[in-house]
Amino acid sequence: GIQVEQSPPDLILQEGANSTLRCNFSDSVNNLQWFHQNPWGQLINLFYIPSGTKQNGRLSATTVATERYSLLYISSSQTTDSGVYFCAVEGSGGSNYKLTFGKGTLLTVNP
Amino acid sequence: NAGVTQTPKFQVLKTGQSMTLQCAQDMNHNSMYWYRQDPGMGLRLIYYSASEGTTDKGEVPNGYNVSRLNKREFSLRLESAAPSQTSVYFCASTTGGIYGYTFGSGTRLTVV
Repeated sequence: GIQVEQSPPDLILQEGANSTLRCNFSDSVNNLQWFHQNPWGQLINLFYIPSGTKQNGRLSATTVATERYSLLYISSSQTTDSGVYFCAVEGSGGSNYKLTFGKGTLLTVNP
Repeated sequence: NAGVTQTPKFQVLKTGQSMTLQCAQDMNHNSMYWYRQDPGMGLRLIYYSASEGTTDKGEVPNGYNVSRLNKREFSLRLESAAPSQTSVYFCASTTGGIYGYTFGSGTRLTVV
């Protein structure tokens, strides 16, 4: 099945710093989503982005499907950005919206 | 509030006991999923239901069964719990495409 690798595994920032999280995947995809899991465990969908670029406030994401990677940018980080960020994909042969998750990037933003 | 509701939030079982985790969504989504999350492993798909009346195995189905009772409800059953099933279980639903997944708040299960 499709493989998903996220980097870095851990990241510590000071409030106000910018960061880039990376997601590499092993095959072509028709579905790619980024999620944030907050410290209380809730998973929130950030972006549906199988290709192209999207922005939502301080967060933006870019997927370069031909090169099989996606980037999540966090600008002017805040302590509320802390948590685990997951990238999840469905291979282009799939049809049931089944997602394969990476192991995540643990982000800690210190005040 | 619209969303995905999971019950219970916490559960402790003894090895060999059975239980059913409940999941319901009120967004009229066709597809529903059960994932488990273990430290350092991300989320792994247990079972899914692409539409009412259908269920299929995911990556780690052994030891579990599911029922898609109707369009709203998708339950996960552990027939004989084992310590290896200690995990956090998440239910999710989607109507597909650009709408992405909506997750429930999770069930933390401990098997002793």
